Amino acid sequence: DADVTQTPRNRITKTGKRIMLECSQTKGHDRMYWYRQDPGLGLRLIYYSFDVKDINKGEISDGYSVSRQAQAKFSLSLESAIPNQTALYFCATGKTGVNTGELFFGEGSRLTVL
Amino acid sequence: AQSVTQLDSQVPVFEEAPVELRCNYSSSVSVYLFWYVQYPNQGLQLLLKYLSGSTLVKGINGFEAEFNKSQTSFHLRKPSVHISDTAEYFCAVIANAGGTSYGKLTFGQGTILTVHP
Repeated sequence: DADVTQTPRNRITKTGKRIMLECSQTKGHDRMYWYRQDPGLGLRLIYYSFDVKDINKGEISDGYSVSRQAQAKFSLSLESAIPNQTALYFCATGKTGVNTGELFFGEGSRLTVL
Repeated sequence: AQSVTQLDSQVPVFEEAPVELRCNYSSSVSVYLFWYVQYPNQGLQLLLKYLSGSTLVKGINGFEAEFNKSQTSFHLRKPSVHISDTAEYFCAVIANAGGTSYGKLTFGQGTILTVHP
């Protein structure tokens, strides 16, 4: 089984619908992240959490919200999806310390908003 | 804050040729540096990292990178590429304070390496 699991892997939805992307990890890491990948733009940070009680906005948080239900679970919600939120979304985990920059990624959730 | 610039968006190369993927960074503090690789339809995985010590670091699959503090660069190299190296490569940086990292990892825009037979 994968260390970082994202569900669903693919989702097609319509404008205005609420969507939730879920992430769970078995690595025991304290830090979890949600990134968005668009061609030519690299990875952009949406939200991140350094522990269950710590949630922080990233560079592109507008239109998104998150919930850290437990150390191992971090979900991303789009309250009212719009077409420009069509992208590949990645969850990642990491550990506080000298290796904080070493992240472990899920396989991605491809979201299409029509 | 840190920033990362990958100087080439796409690099085509023939099999068994050498390749260099260029990465420059900007930071007012010391940094740790990383290269990640993303194979088609997969998530990113760590290729190599520079934390301290020798400026030449070796990673998986025969890749290496050299940290050049004066030029603020961390270029990735491989002397002979294979078809299986076709992927997107991301350079990333995080601030370093007193031997531990802090803040968030900042990624470059990515370089698509395509290896032709």
